[in-house]
Amino acid sequence: QPVLTQPPSVSGAPGQTVTISCTGSSSNIGADYDVHWYQQLPGTAPKLLISSNNNRPSGVPDRFSGSKSGTSASLAITGLQAEDEADYYCQSYDTSLSAVFGTGTKVTVL
Amino acid sequence: EVQLVESGGGLVRPGGSLRLSCAASGFSFSSYSMNWVRQAPGKGLERVSSITIAGTYIFYADSVQGRFTISRDNANNSLYLQMNSLRAEDTAMYYCVRENYYDSSGSLFDYWGQGTLVTVAS
Repeated sequence: QPVLTQPPSVSGAPGQTVTISCTGSSSNIGADYDVHWYQQLPGTAPKLLISSNNNRPSGVPDRFSGSKSGTSASLAITGLQAEDEADYYCQSYDTSLSAVFGTGTKVTVL
Repeated sequence: EVQLVESGGGLVRPGGSLRLSCAASGFSFSSYSMNWVRQAPGKGLERVSSITIAGTYIFYADSVQGRFTISRDNANNSLYLQMNSLRAEDTAMYYCVRENYYDSSGSLFDYWGQGTLVTVAS
């Protein structure tokens, strides 16, 4: 069902920057719909991390940032910390009038 | 404080039925579309079903079409998912999720429950 493609995993050492891509198509991200990002810590429910491409809800550290261009979006984590080890999902909307999720990316802190 | 509390999960045999419930509080339940999103063990997120404010538009994933029925009771701030003809592949954590249509740029899932686990096995 997911129509947004993410890399299965990315990793980095503490303090480094990692970037997660989210690739869609002209019927979702490319149709000018916003992209949102969710963080799922081990054993917990997903939590909204970035809304509307690059907005951080209250309480989200500023080391998390998002961007969008064309049919893709990216989530960057700068100054990677051990507690950032989690699964990350992108989400957008589709011209089929349905919300769509990404395939998910596991971030490992080395 | 927004709260979504799921219940009704458990172990069921293939072909059996379960009814999930979600109790909402801390917001105007009747003003939001609601969703059930599931996650099979070790897998990603799958949007199973959604229902608009008055129940006029309902979505089902192809994988559950004809077997699952979503409903809501705005008077009692509750969301339901009736699951029939359950299969092993329906085994997953099921999350109750609020969907926020903030403007014409789409929607997002801003609040999630803690989930209820459904296990289909003989």
